[in-house]
Amino acid sequence: DQQVKQNSPSLSVQEGRISILNCDYTNSMFDYFLWYKKYPAEGPTFLISISSIKDKNEDGRFTVFLNKSAKHLSLHIVPSQPGDSAVYFCAASASRGGSNYKLTFGKGTLLTVNP
Amino acid sequence: EAQVTQNPRYLITVTGKKLTVTCSQNMNHEYMSWYRQDPGLGLRQIYYSMNVEVTDKGDVPEGYKVSRKEKRNFPLILESPSPNQTSLYFCASSLKGTVNTEAFFGQGTRLTVV
Repeated sequence: DQQVKQNSPSLSVQEGRISILNCDYTNSMFDYFLWYKKYPAEGPTFLISISSIKDKNEDGRFTVFLNKSAKHLSLHIVPSQPGDSAVYFCAASASRGGSNYKLTFGKGTLLTVNP
Repeated sequence: EAQVTQNPRYLITVTGKKLTVTCSQNMNHEYMSWYRQDPGLGLRQIYYSMNVEVTDKGDVPEGYKVSRKEKRNFPLILESPSPNQTSLYFCASSLKGTVNTEAFFGQGTRLTVV
């Protein structure tokens, strides 16, 4: 049972436009969410996070929105740049329910930004 | 430079031949973990360690062992590798095993078991 779902395997956008990557989760215990970016032949790198006490977090061109009632979060990239082309992983963790604050990852979305 | 270093980056081995993938971090992080990435499955946790001499199973621990004798090192051991362990492996560390700390990942080890 997949607890973090990224239903779009890929997304293609034009340079300068907005990229919106979506993520849904099923575990109501999740209270912290992160986005990681991964280039080929490299490990994932942290991009941005959001706590469940917030509904929006912004960092430069990147904004993450959280809708707790819908168990949905999204990552907005504005404006998109060719260097943003990568696989984006949504991840979630729970502060309660055990000592392993592990990250549960989605399957990833491949973003391609066309010049 | 703060980093998580895995070795080797690429490895081809035969079924049943014991191997170790090393992982080292220079950030004095308490929490370390291993993930495997497979097509269509994303990243799944294999084992984790909350601190020295404290390790536990993640979601897919079968066929793997780990040890944490020093804070900086967290090797992944495959005692008898099988083809279904062919995968891309990532080691990760974070300052503490708390929910609001980001994890830093190594560059990955691509393992092929024939």
